[in-house]
Amino acid sequence: QKEVEQNSGPLSVPEGAIASLNCTYSDRGSQSFFWYRQYSGKSPELIMSIYSNGDKEDGRFTAQLNKASQYVSLLIRDSQPSDSATYLCAVNKKTGNQFYFGTGTSLTVIP
Amino acid sequence: EAGVVQSPRYKIIEKKQPVAFWCNPISGHNTLYWYRQNLGQGPELLIRYENEEAVDDSQLPKDRFSAERLKGVDSTLKIQPAELGDSAVYLCASSTGGLLYLDSGYTFGSGTRLTVV
Repeated sequence: QKEVEQNSGPLSVPEGAIASLNCTYSDRGSQSFFWYRQYSGKSPELIMSIYSNGDKEDGRFTAQLNKASQYVSLLIRDSQPSDSATYLCAVNKKTGNQFYFGTGTSLTVIP
Repeated sequence: EAGVVQSPRYKIIEKKQPVAFWCNPISGHNTLYWYRQNLGQGPELLIRYENEEAVDDSQLPKDRFSAERLKGVDSTLKIQPAELGDSAVYLCASSTGGLLYLDSGYTFGSGTRLTVV
């Protein structure tokens, strides 16, 4: 079983819609969760972090965490073509100082 | 503030040849990571340094890969000899370490895209 699993997509949404990206993780003891955005040919860049159950909002982005279900999601409101990228979910386990990354979900926002 | 600097950006080598990648982390970041990212996959950790000490190298193929971080700053990752399957993007990342990293996550460098032919 992989540490972090994501639907690889591709996910396509029209401009202005809400994009919903999902991630599950295997280690119930995981403590911190991150979403990275990666444009084609570029390195990942951090967009959101979340540690507590519930929602965390930052501009058009909302991260949601449900530790009981071992599920973390990212919502992008008012999606823009510039949001087209691969979104990587990363999870930090209780032990060790490293992130485990999912394979990423490819998002395309159609103008 | 300069970010994580990596060089070279691209490298094409023939199989069985050696290759080295260099990384300069963000000033003050004690923790340095080398990740490998294959096409269509997420980054996978190769080695983690806390200052100059390699504290997690369990995923590093030690028969051909080596790394060093002299003086706890710059780091070099080497492959000798390279194989076709080593073609990937090699990413360096750094963080402040300790509990501070929980809020800042990693900062990645631009990566080195290696092609072995």
